[in-house]
Amino acid sequence: GAGVSQSPSNKVTEKGKDVELRCDPISGHTALYWYRQSLGQGLEFLIYFQGNSAPDKSGLPSDRFSAERTGGSVSTLTIQRTQQEDSAVYLCASSLGTESPLHFGNGTRLTVT
Amino acid sequence: GDSVTQMEGPVTLSEEAFLTINCTYTATGYPSLFWYVQYPGEGLQLLLKATKADDKGSNKGFEATYRKETTSFHLEKGSVQVSDSAVYFCALRDSNYQLIWGAGTKLIIKP
Repeated sequence: GAGVSQSPSNKVTEKGKDVELRCDPISGHTALYWYRQSLGQGLEFLIYFQGNSAPDKSGLPSDRFSAERTGGSVSTLTIQRTQQEDSAVYLCASSLGTESPLHFGNGTRLTVT
Repeated sequence: GDSVTQMEGPVTLSEEAFLTINCTYTATGYPSLFWYVQYPGEGLQLLLKATKADDKGSNKGFEATYRKETTSFHLEKGSVQVSDSAVYFCALRDSNYQLIWGAGTKLIIKP
């Protein structure tokens, strides 16, 4: 079946512009995570959605970052007024539940010039 | 807070060599432990896991044993192949069901 799908796969934007990154999780997966992976670094947790519960936003690095998940399915990560330090690969993952393995998308590589 | 430390890469080995990638953790409680792998051009995928002390996770010839006494979860393989070249991530799931990740270890296998 289809895995986690992220779009776009690559995004180049100018400093100060807003960007939207999309994640389509595996159908039926109630948990959805956003991570950021910078070159040579581990995964940095951003935000976590679980069912209809309030999302865990504790990893968002600033108020320029926000995310929503509509209808318990598709999620959008928005970065406003992008900065060069926002350049990274943004990974989305979904899972059946809190104790199930994560399934990752291939990520969106964001480059802020 | 909880943390995961894994050996820095890159690790370069010849084909058929024995592999160990060290991973140690600090955590309150009894976390589940994972190894994920990221092959070139692909997304992260679960390689193996262990949910309690002394459990051994295994997959594709890789093994890791949950050692509570040494707070370790080292990844091993007896004979690596070129196709094992990838980045390997150790992770733990904390009491809030969040995954805490190591920095990743790049493995390069030369023919």
